[in-house]
Amino acid sequence: GNSVTQMEGPVTLSEEAFLTINCTYTATGYPSLFWYVQYPGEGLQLLLKATKADDKGSNKGFEATYRKETTSFHLEKGSVQVSDSAVYFCALSERGRRALTFGSGTRLQVQP
Amino acid sequence: NAGVTQTPKFQVLKTGQSMTLQCAQDMNHNSMYWYRQDPGMGLRLIYYSASEGTTDKGEVPNGYNVSRLNKREFSLRLESAAPSQTSVYFCASSGDRQTLSYNEQFFGPGTRLTVL
Repeated sequence: GNSVTQMEGPVTLSEEAFLTINCTYTATGYPSLFWYVQYPGEGLQLLLKATKADDKGSNKGFEATYRKETTSFHLEKGSVQVSDSAVYFCALSERGRRALTFGSGTRLQVQP
Repeated sequence: NAGVTQTPKFQVLKTGQSMTLQCAQDMNHNSMYWYRQDPGMGLRLIYYSASEGTTDKGEVPNGYNVSRLNKREFSLRLESAAPSQTSVYFCASSGDRQTLSYNEQFFGPGTRLTVL
């Protein structure tokens, strides 16, 4: 079956530090990959996506590249802000299947 | 355009009580979903509905029932609540973009349920 593995948190960084949150996946087909973000007290919002190998998704300074050879989709940001503090979820969706498979989430805390 | 709305936001039940969580979307999406979120486990799919009148089990359906009342609304019912159902419940919806090979889902704000 499908699965998504994320690095455990919390990740604590100082403002303007570089961020990497690791995500690897297992899938039988050729999935689409997503990063969702959940701010305190809110539902999940799509942050970025990539639908095929070597695609790079980007949004709000965050980037992730779909690496088929390493089955990874690591999230990066060059300079984090306090407002980036949230829980980040990696997820995949296989072609022909409606449901998403989520990782366990990584909490990011950015200190001023 | 409210997106996906859920009611209630918070609920406390006693073991054995029943309740229905409501979800509605105004994006004309065909597909709707119910997830539960537990600490350290991400989101797990309870049930989904690919279109009005159809429902299918997800990863953790036991103890739940669903109704797709119309295209807009998808409710989740707990007939006899148990402490193991203490969780945060999220409703989501998506359009049918299968041919584009991705499935962007839009989430509601969640319902925090505690079963004592």
